[in-house]
Amino acid sequence: DVKVTQSSRYLVKRTGEKVFLECVQDMDHENMFWYRQDPGLGLRLIYFSYDVKMKEKGDIPEGYSVSREKKERFSLILESASTNQTSMYLCASSLAVQETQYFGPGTRLLVL
Amino acid sequence: AQSVTQLDSHVSVSEGTPVLLRCNYSSSYSPSLFWYVQHPNKGLQLLLKYTSAATLVKGINGFEAEFKKSETSFHLTKPSAHMSDAAEYFCVVSQTYSGTYKYIFGTGTRLKVLA
Repeated sequence: DVKVTQSSRYLVKRTGEKVFLECVQDMDHENMFWYRQDPGLGLRLIYFSYDVKMKEKGDIPEGYSVSREKKERFSLILESASTNQTSMYLCASSLAVQETQYFGPGTRLLVL
Repeated sequence: AQSVTQLDSHVSVSEGTPVLLRCNYSSSYSPSLFWYVQHPNKGLQLLLKYTSAATLVKGINGFEAEFKKSETSFHLTKPSAHMSDAAEYFCVVSQTYSGTYKYIFGTGTRLKVLA
């Protein structure tokens, strides 16, 4: 079974802090994704990566950056956290871009 | 442009009665379609997917969905609801063309199962 893990289930940060969210997958998948989930809005893609050191902007990249130094690890970085970034963040991976995505359990981030 | 519309944000059914969660999509080309389920405080799990083979797709936990091109629909059904089915369900359309990737989520339907 594919396993996608996220470094934290819950995080509380202050406005202006730099925040790192880590995601690791164990199935040698090429593609990894970061989404944020907000009530009534579904999931929105922030960034995705189709290979090590490669990244593409999703629908809402503003205020975020990503890093993929190793195939199994994809990090989401909030350079200067703001209260409107309070949300549930979900990481996913897939073998092919258009195929089934496997999700981690999510990180619920609260920015005060 | 692609889009996905889940027609009901909330659905309530009694245990043992049928479930119908509705999804309509808009796509210029032949899409792949998925249903995912999210239980409280958990990540999303794949229920089933359609990739241009059989139009009736069977998934896990007794769920199935039928791809109807003429109606641009991909509704999710289950003959008999169980308490453990209470969760949020997402319909997703996936398509790549002109080198652009698109994986579009609907806004979700929260299913409540009454005892």
